[in-house]
Amino acid sequence: AQTVTQSQPEMSVQEAETVTLSCTYDTSESDYYLFWYKQPPSRQMILVIRQEAYKQQNATENRFSVNFQKAAKSFSLKISDSQLGDAAMYFCAYRSAVPWGGNKLVFGAGTILRVKS
Amino acid sequence: KAGVTQTPRYLIKTRGQQVTLSCSPISGHRSVSWYQQTPGQGLQFLFEYFSETQRNKGNFPGRFSGRQFSNSRSEMNVSTLELGDSALYLCASSQDTNTGELFFGEGSRLTVL
Repeated sequence: AQTVTQSQPEMSVQEAETVTLSCTYDTSESDYYLFWYKQPPSRQMILVIRQEAYKQQNATENRFSVNFQKAAKSFSLKISDSQLGDAAMYFCAYRSAVPWGGNKLVFGAGTILRVKS
Repeated sequence: KAGVTQTPRYLIKTRGQQVTLSCSPISGHRSVSWYQQTPGQGLQFLFEYFSETQRNKGNFPGRFSGRQFSNSRSEMNVSTLELGDSALYLCASSQDTNTGELFFGEGSRLTVL
């Protein structure tokens, strides 16, 4: 079974600074997808960024980028120019790419990100 | 386009009762997944429905069940409630493409007394 580990229960960053959230995962599969989801205090989770395992290029979405190290099974999220609205719980998630895998996500425990003004 | 709608948003039940939660997916989405979120166990996958068929099931007891209707709306039911069932239950819908992006509702907060 796949597992996802987020070793940082909580992180703080100064507004406008950069912060990196860590995520490692364990799988025996070669093809899969990785995601970072954000859950603000209002609780609705939204997708921040996704990475296909077969792509070597790291995904970027505006101020958000990932460092995907397939061999090390590491998938960190970098948030540049942090804003107050970035404060939330961030979840790293894994999805198998096997045809019968459906849309089952395996989540990490989450990292609370606090942004200081 | 309306998002994923979950009802009720909050509910309180007592041990031994049963509860039914509802989820209306985004229009056109045929996949609906359910997750349980607790402080201790985090986010855990319950089950997924696609075109009225259960496609995946997590490691939960048989007291947890679900179904999906022809309009893709889904319900989940928990029977014989236990204190440990207190949680935020999240529903997510998807177009079921390889991107795998799930769109989440705001959740139903269940408290079992």
